[in-house]
Amino acid sequence: QVQLQQWGAGLLKPSETLSLTCSVYGGSFSGFFWSWVRQPPGKGLEWIGESNHRGSAKYNPSLRSRVTTSVDTSKRQFSLHLTSVTAADTAVYYCVRDLRGPFDFWGQGNLVTVSS
Amino acid sequence: SSELTQDPAVSVALGQTVRITCQGDSLRNFFACWYQQKPRQAPVLLIYGEKNRPSGIPERFSASSSGNTASLTITGAQAEDEADYHCNSRDGDHVVFGGGTRLTVL
Repeated sequence: QVQLQQWGAGLLKPSETLSLTCSVYGGSFSGFFWSWVRQPPGKGLEWIGESNHRGSAKYNPSLRSRVTTSVDTSKRQFSLHLTSVTAADTAVYYCVRDLRGPFDFWGQGNLVTVSS
Repeated sequence: SSELTQDPAVSVALGQTVRITCQGDSLRNFFACWYQQKPRQAPVLLIYGEKNRPSGIPERFSASSSGNTASLTITGAQAEDEADYHCNSRDGDHVVFGGGTRLTVL
């Protein structure tokens, strides 16, 4: 069974950089894309971006200028960095296994709050 | 803003059938996927591809599509089906989500 376990800072000040990492346990790692999804409080889901072990990455156009994702195959981990955060970036962030359409395994979610 | 459109809320009587819809241009070229999310939990994949259910998903959940509209049908809704339902699809190189539908089982 595949499990995703994620971690990172939960409280940020405006203009800081959000950084989250997700470890993948079980299953294959290199053969998949890995995505990040966020959910502002009381709102719907928003795709942030995806990447794979070959360095191929795609990002949500609305976030592209601030987002970077990376994959470390040796550690079976992938990471998200979002720069210049504002209160609008307050959300629960999820790491997910991306089947280029369906997201079949999800991390537990991290609430990231941006507040001065 | 979401590029797939869902009704914000739908209700169904216990044991009855309910359809939740998702509309958007990307659905003309890509299949919708459906997720169930209960409070304070991560979403769970319900349906993917044309009509595929992951292992463990009850048969009462089914999907269909026509043109730019995808539908999730729950046949014989149970109390435990009360949750938020989200749709998504590929849109070229990107992924788009609907705004989610809150299902109340009466």
